[in-house]
Amino acid sequence: GENVEQHPSTLSVQEGDSAVIKCTYSDSASNYFPWYKQELGKRPQLIIDIRSNVGEKKDQRIAVTLNKTAKHFSLHITETQPEDSAVYFCAASFFYDKVIFGPGTSLSVIP
Amino acid sequence: NAGVTQTPKFQVLKTGQSMTLQCAQDMNHEYMSWYRQDPGMGLRLIHYSVGAGITDQGEVPNGYNVSRSTTEDFPLRLLSAAPSQTSVYFCASTSYRTTTDTQYFGPGTRLTVL
Repeated sequence: GENVEQHPSTLSVQEGDSAVIKCTYSDSASNYFPWYKQELGKRPQLIIDIRSNVGEKKDQRIAVTLNKTAKHFSLHITETQPEDSAVYFCAASFFYDKVIFGPGTSLSVIP
Repeated sequence: NAGVTQTPKFQVLKTGQSMTLQCAQDMNHEYMSWYRQDPGMGLRLIHYSVGAGITDQGEVPNGYNVSRSTTEDFPLRLLSAAPSQTSVYFCASTSYRTTTDTQYFGPGTRLTVL
C-alpha cells in the first residue's frame, strides 16, 4: 500500500522568510496530492492540491511542486506570517481512494 | 449546509465497552472516510467508503467496524474498546463530481479509553 514520508517534522522560520516541506510517496499509481493545514485543536483544512498531470501549482503565497519520477512533492510558503504557524500534512492517493497522510510538519513562524 | 457533523464531541469509555461514533454529511458526497489522530502523529486511515453499500479497510482497521447504508451517514463502531484506541477521530467526505476536490473534515471526536 501507499506510504507517505514527510520532512522535516518541525520547522522554525523568521517572519517573512520562506518555508519548504518535502514529502515522498511509495505508490507510483498515486495521482492526487493534497496539502492540509491544521491549527491547534481544529480540524484539518485543505490549502492546496496537485494532480499528477501538473508539475507545479500556485495560490498566492503557497505553491506545490511534484516530481513524479522521483515520487516526491513539496510545499513552498513564501513571505511567512505568524498565522501560518500550524501543523501541515501532505497526503497521496489514487484519485480519492485511500487518502494516506504523512506524519506532519509543525511550522512555527517567529515574529 | 451543516457540512460534516460528528457526535459526540467527547467520550470516555472503559476497556471492553462498545460504542458508535456518528458521522453525517449533507453535501451528497460519495466518498467518506474515518481517520484517527494520535499526538505527534499524522492522520491514519481506519476505513473508507466510495458510496452507499461499499466500504473498505484503511491502514489501521483492526478493532473498528463501519457500514454505509445511506449516502449521508457513515458510523464507526468500536467493538471492544482498548486504551490503544484513545485518540481523536475525524470523519471526512468528498465528491468525485466537483472540481474543488476538497476533502471536508468534521470537527472530531475525542475518545478516551480507561
